[in-house]
Amino acid sequence: GENVEQHPSTLSVQEGDSAVIKCTYSDSASNYFPWYKQELGKRPQLIIDIRSNVGEKKDQRIAVTLNKTAKHFSLHITETQPEDSAVYFCAAKIQGAQKLVFGQGTRLTINP
Amino acid sequence: EPEVTQTPSHQVTQMGQEVILRCVPISNHLYFYWYRQILGQKVEFLVSFYNNEISEKSEIFDDQFSVERPDGSNFTLKIRSTKLEDSAMYFCASMWGQGFLDEQYFGPGTRLTVT
Repeated sequence: GENVEQHPSTLSVQEGDSAVIKCTYSDSASNYFPWYKQELGKRPQLIIDIRSNVGEKKDQRIAVTLNKTAKHFSLHITETQPEDSAVYFCAAKIQGAQKLVFGQGTRLTINP
Repeated sequence: EPEVTQTPSHQVTQMGQEVILRCVPISNHLYFYWYRQILGQKVEFLVSFYNNEISEKSEIFDDQFSVERPDGSNFTLKIRSTKLEDSAMYFCASMWGQGFLDEQYFGPGTRLTVT
């Protein structure tokens, strides 16, 4: 089945700097890759997603890139702010399947 | 903006007891899910439900677990005889599922503590 690896597990950056979180997936049939932000004790919230027919997607300070050949995708946050501090999870879904397979999560800390 | 809701927010139960976790998915969504997250670990898929039947389940979802959509709005997860290792945050999610839209929206979770 699908396996998603995410790194780093923790990331600390200065406010205003960029943060990059990377994920790899194992099943080439995966075609949907969402990113979720989870603040302490809260629900995972979808922040951006990308489908396999697209190489990059951007939404204000957040962007996601996908390399299908290498089977990896990345989340880029620019001009980081303290409210970006959270745990970020990547996930993948195989075409035709129902479940999301999550990575292990990255705890992002933005230092003022 | 519509949201998935879950009750209770926290459930404490003794080992061996039955628990029912409740969810109200977003009203026009067609696919429903349960995930769990053991403290400090990743989110794990349990089961998906579509058209009044289970469409996919994980190896975690054994005979102790069951799901039901008893009416047009609620979606429940029952654990028949809880074990200590069932202690986790349980998230319900729903997805519209039409066309090529795949976004799953998560509820706030129920923290289950088995003592």
